[in-house]
Amino acid sequence: GIQVEQSPPDLILQEGANSTLRCNFSDSVNNLQWFHQNPWGQLINLFYIPSGTKQNGRLSATTVATERYSLLYISSSQTTDSGVYFCAVVVGGTSYGKLTFGQGTILTVHP
Amino acid sequence: GAGVSQSPSNKVTEKGKDVELRCDPISGHTALYWYRQSLGQGLEFLIYFQGNSAPDKSGLPSDRFSAERTGGSVSTLTIQRTQQEDSAVYLCASSLSDEQPQHFGDGTRLSIL
Repeated sequence: GIQVEQSPPDLILQEGANSTLRCNFSDSVNNLQWFHQNPWGQLINLFYIPSGTKQNGRLSATTVATERYSLLYISSSQTTDSGVYFCAVVVGGTSYGKLTFGQGTILTVHP
Repeated sequence: GAGVSQSPSNKVTEKGKDVELRCDPISGHTALYWYRQSLGQGLEFLIYFQGNSAPDKSGLPSDRFSAERTGGSVSTLTIQRTQQEDSAVYLCASSLSDEQPQHFGDGTRLSIL
């Protein structure tokens, strides 16, 4: 099956710093989503981004489908950004949206 | 509007008992998914429902697991004869269609004693 690799596995920042999270995938994909899992375990949709670039406030994401990677940018980080960031993909050629998740990046933002 | 609703939020039960977990998707969403999040396995797909089509059960770990979706809306995931390795957070998601983003509920934390 498809492999989804996220890096770095852990990231520690001071409030106000910027960061880039990466997601590599081993096959063509139909869909790609970025999620933030907060300390209470809730999975929050950040981006639905099978290709191209999107921005939402301090967060932006870019997916280069032909090169099989996606990047999540967090600018001016805040303590509320702490949690686990997951990338999840739907394998290309399938007729349904089963998500395959990466192992996540654990982000800790210190005040 | 209302998001995906799951109940109970927490469930503690003894090994060998049966449990039922409920998911109420976002209104109008035709696709419904169950996932499981455990320490050793990360987030993994269990089962998928789309409209009136036969469900994709390819992710169910054993025949002790089953799920149904009544009337194209609410879904129930049933685990029979629970084992300690079934302890995990069970997450439900729904989407407007296969090609739309999935929205997750808050999950049911299942603990098997």
